[in-house]
Amino acid sequence: QKEVEQDPGPLSVPEGAIVSLNCTYSNSAFQYFMWYRQYSRKGPELLMYTYSSGNKEDGRFTAQVDKSSKYISLFIRDSQPSDSATYLCAMSVRRQGAQKLVFGQGTRLTINP
Amino acid sequence: KAGVTQTPRYLIKTRGQQVTLSCSPISGHRSVSWYQQTPGQGLQFLFEYFSETQRNKGNFPGRFSGRQFSNSRSEMNVSTLELGDSALYLCASSLEGPGSSGSYFGPGTRLTVL
Repeated sequence: QKEVEQDPGPLSVPEGAIVSLNCTYSNSAFQYFMWYRQYSRKGPELLMYTYSSGNKEDGRFTAQVDKSSKYISLFIRDSQPSDSATYLCAMSVRRQGAQKLVFGQGTRLTINP
Repeated sequence: KAGVTQTPRYLIKTRGQQVTLSCSPISGHRSVSWYQQTPGQGLQFLFEYFSETQRNKGNFPGRFSGRQFSNSRSEMNVSTLELGDSALYLCASSLEGPGSSGSYFGPGTRLTVL
């Protein structure tokens, strides 16, 4: 079983829809939670970063963490065609005395005009 | 502030050769991590360097190695290349470590092994 599970999709929604992307994890030692957006043939771009349970909002993006259920989500409101990309969740854990990031498989999202 | 830069952007090598990839972190960032990204395995952690010391290592064979210089720039070396090493190699920099302050990725080096 992978430490971080993410539905790879693909997910296709119409422009303007609310998008919900989710990851579950099994290791309660994960401390920090991130969402990255990756366009084709580019490096991942940090979208959201949080370390506590609850919601964090940044423009059209909301990151939600539920540590009791080991579940994180990213919501995109008023989705745009430019949001079409692969979204990766990432979590950090301390191993061998230092923090290490563990990534989900990524969800490929397409926003249709 | 300039972002993370990686050179070269594309490489084509043959089996058995070796390759060196370079990463320049964001100014002021002391931690550099390297990742391998493939369609089948996703993003996998290779190693992390902080202040010229390898602080963490993933589950890759010894053919994969790296180093960090005093200016925080980092290099990654892969010796005796295999077909399965074809991948996008990404480096990410952060202030103090991958988790505590968020990691910022470069555009990657796409390595093709023939």
